[in-house]
Amino acid sequence: AQSVTQPDIHITVSEGASLELRCNYSYGATPYLFWYVQSPGQGLQLLLKYFSGDTLVQGIKGFEAEFKRSQSSFNLRKPSVHWSDAAEYFCAVDRTYGNKLVFGAGTILRVKS
Amino acid sequence: DTAVSQTPKYLVTQMGNDKSIKCEQNLGHDTMYWYKQDSKKFLKIMFSYNNKELIINETVPNRFSPKSPDKAHLNLHINSLELGDSAVYFCASRRGLSANVLTFGAGSRLTVL
Repeated sequence: AQSVTQPDIHITVSEGASLELRCNYSYGATPYLFWYVQSPGQGLQLLLKYFSGDTLVQGIKGFEAEFKRSQSSFNLRKPSVHWSDAAEYFCAVDRTYGNKLVFGAGTILRVKS
Repeated sequence: DTAVSQTPKYLVTQMGNDKSIKCEQNLGHDTMYWYKQDSKKFLKIMFSYNNKELIINETVPNRFSPKSPDKAHLNLHINSLELGDSAVYFCASRRGLSANVLTFGAGSRLTVL
């Protein structure tokens, strides 16, 4: 069964600093990969996705993620964090031709001024 | 216009009661989902319907009964509510069965006392 691991439960960064949120997946083939963000009391918003092609994908709000097949990773990055980025971030995996989006446990991002 | 709308947004009820959460999407999608987000923020799929047909049922207690009167609606009825049912329930939809992005509703927070 596929699984998604986000090893960091909480991360705190200073405003303006760079950010990397880690995501590893376990699946036999290349799945579809997603990052979603959930602001407090809000639903989930898609940041970016990877299906195929260029392994560095750009998303909204200045986020990017890099798919590394050899490491089964899809880490999320942002060069300069803003206070409004404070939220919970979920990595998710969907099987190719599958129908079940599986989420990691989430990483809470805190931004200090 | 809200793409995926859920009602109610908040629901507080007593143990043993029966309650329903409704979901409607105006995106023309034909696949809809219910996800449960527990107190630890872990998101787990419960059900998926494609064109009103149940295609995923993730070992959810049979007190939970989804109903899809048409492909734009997926309601969730819960009988004999238990304390452990307290969670945020997210509805989501997408076009087709795979290779497409899920669009989530804002969530319905259920509190069972």
